Amino acid sequence: DVKVTQSSRYLVKRTGEKVFLECVQDMDHENMFWYRQDPGLGLRLIYFSYDVKMKEKGDIPEGYSVSREKKERFSLILESASTNQTSMYLCASSKDYTEAFFGQGTRLTVV
Amino acid sequence: DQQVKQNSPSLSVQEGRISILNCDYTNSMFDYFLWYKKYPAEGPTFLISISSIKDKNEDGRFTVFLNKSAKHLSLHIVPSQPGDSAVYFCAAQNSGGSNYKLTFGKGTLLTVNP
Repeated sequence: DVKVTQSSRYLVKRTGEKVFLECVQDMDHENMFWYRQDPGLGLRLIYFSYDVKMKEKGDIPEGYSVSREKKERFSLILESASTNQTSMYLCASSKDYTEAFFGQGTRLTVV
Repeated sequence: DQQVKQNSPSLSVQEGRISILNCDYTNSMFDYFLWYKKYPAEGPTFLISISSIKDKNEDGRFTVFLNKSAKHLSLHIVPSQPGDSAVYFCAAQNSGGSNYKLTFGKGTLLTVNP
């Protein structure tokens, strides 16, 4: 069974902290994505990666960075968390041009 | 610039009736379209997709229609059930592009009343 696992369901961090969100997939997919979901704004792409050590900016990369050292793992990094980064973060993976599979999401609150 | 638009933020239907969710796109390079369903506090789950070489794809109670000339697609759910109540996202992809990203609409909240 297909699985994308995000390391935390809920996180509370302080303003200015460096935050790491981890995502692991077990499907040997080449492509991995980080989205954030906010009410009324839908899913917006932050970063994606189509191969190990490769990354590309999505639509809203500011304030974020990513790391993909292994094929199965894609990390999202908030360099200095701010309150406007409070959101639901969703990781996904896909193989070529097929449907993407999503993790369960991480609800991040920055206080 | 919103390339995938879901103009109805919400839709309410009675159990057993048809639900029709609409989606418009502006990028003519999109050629693969998907619908996802999302419950609160969970990740989206894939529902159904359609390639631009087709105008209809069916899977049980779910049918997606594509009108390429109008750049419009719709998801029909027949009959609607209370468990269908969720946010539905339309997504589009350019399979001839150099990346594999999906562009999503803002979603439509479907409520199916018993």
